[in-house]
Amino acid sequence: GQQLNQSPQSMFIQEGEDVSMNCTSSSIFNTWLWYKQDPGEGPVLLIALYKAGELTSNGRLTAQFGITRKDSFLNISASIPSDVGIYFCAGSKSIYNNAGNMLTFGGGTRLMVKP
Amino acid sequence: NAGVTQTPKFQVLKTGQSMTLQCAQDMNHNSMYWYRQDPGMGLRLIYYSASEGTTDKGEVPNGYNVSRLNKREFSLRLESAAPSQTSVYFCASSPLRGTEAFFGQGTRLTVV
Repeated sequence: GQQLNQSPQSMFIQEGEDVSMNCTSSSIFNTWLWYKQDPGEGPVLLIALYKAGELTSNGRLTAQFGITRKDSFLNISASIPSDVGIYFCAGSKSIYNNAGNMLTFGGGTRLMVKP
Repeated sequence: NAGVTQTPKFQVLKTGQSMTLQCAQDMNHNSMYWYRQDPGMGLRLIYYSASEGTTDKGEVPNGYNVSRLNKREFSLRLESAAPSQTSVYFCASSPLRGTEAFFGQGTRLTVV
């Protein structure tokens, strides 16, 4: 099925560093979502974006809905060991219950933090 | 408020055995989903139910069946388990199809 291109696939960073990851698509999405999955757990919704250009923060996390509607970005500032996990982006083409409207997931970015 | 609850959390099956994975949500969501997650493969949609009374195939439906028992519950059945079905299975729900989904904690299934 269609997948979003998420990069990088993995990152190994020093504690305290800032982190940037992105998600791109060849088609337009009207909703972008960012999830985090801790080891052994299910994905947890971090940030939801509904408008092109929107910039939304959740603590040290900031996500942006790209102007072209074909991409989204997630930044984590001053990383800490508990930021370890897999970060997934997801896109949806409509907020309505239209036929065929489904969430499309990226392949994930695995973040590892060195204390 | 428990969110999405999956049972069991772990299961080991022998090839050919059958089992049903249970999922319930208490958020009054219309849509429910079953995903599988394999190393390096991300999340792949098995089946979904856009609303009570409907179910549809996702990306990888072969070997599985589902039942939307009521608005709260959506079960996934493996009729004859195969080693290729060893995976982590996640149930999720969302207010409407394609909107923000909320996930359960997963069922780790091993087929030997």
